[in-house]
Amino acid sequence: QKEVEQDPGPLSVPEGAIVSLNCTYSNSAFQYFMWYRQYSRKGPELLMYTYSSGNKEDGRFTAQVDKSSKYISLFIRDSQPSDSATYLCAMRSGSEKLVFGKGTKLTVNP
Amino acid sequence: DTAVSQTPKYLVTQMGNDKSIKCEQNLGHDTMYWYKQDSKKFLKIMFSYNNKELIINETVPNRFSPKSPDKAHLNLHINSLELGDSAVYFCASRITPEGNEQYFGPGTRLTVT
Repeated sequence: QKEVEQDPGPLSVPEGAIVSLNCTYSNSAFQYFMWYRQYSRKGPELLMYTYSSGNKEDGRFTAQVDKSSKYISLFIRDSQPSDSATYLCAMRSGSEKLVFGKGTKLTVNP
Repeated sequence: DTAVSQTPKYLVTQMGNDKSIKCEQNLGHDTMYWYKQDSKKFLKIMFSYNNKELIINETVPNRFSPKSPDKAHLNLHINSLELGDSAVYFCASRITPEGNEQYFGPGTRLTVT
């Protein structure tokens, strides 16, 4: 079993839709959870960061962590064509290396 | 000002050649990384340096040799390039190994023919 599993998609939604992106993981030592957004031919950029379980909201983006289920989610409300990108989950424990999911490619159609 | 910069952006070379990729960060961070992203977009760590010292060395062929002349620079030298080395290589930096935000460079697209 891979440490971090993420459905690669692709996911295609109409503009204005609510998007749900998810990752599962196997290492119960993970404490820090991130979502990165990567536009085509660009480097990943940090979108959301959460420590331990709980929710975090930033504008149209909400990150959720459920450590009991080893499951993290990113919700995008009122999705825009500019949200079209690959979304990578990433997680780590302490100062250990970041472990990335394979990324989900999202297309928001106008 | 670019926070993490890499040169070159594109690199096309033949099998067997030796090439280098350079990375610089102007964020004052202590920790720098090299990642490889394959054609399926999977991002995998290769090396990590903290204050010029190697702290993470994943299972990478010894044809790959990182070098950190100072904490703002982390270069990657690749000897005897192989077809399977074709990928996008990303440099990244973090303020410390425990820091939250990790900043990525724009990537170097390496194609080995």
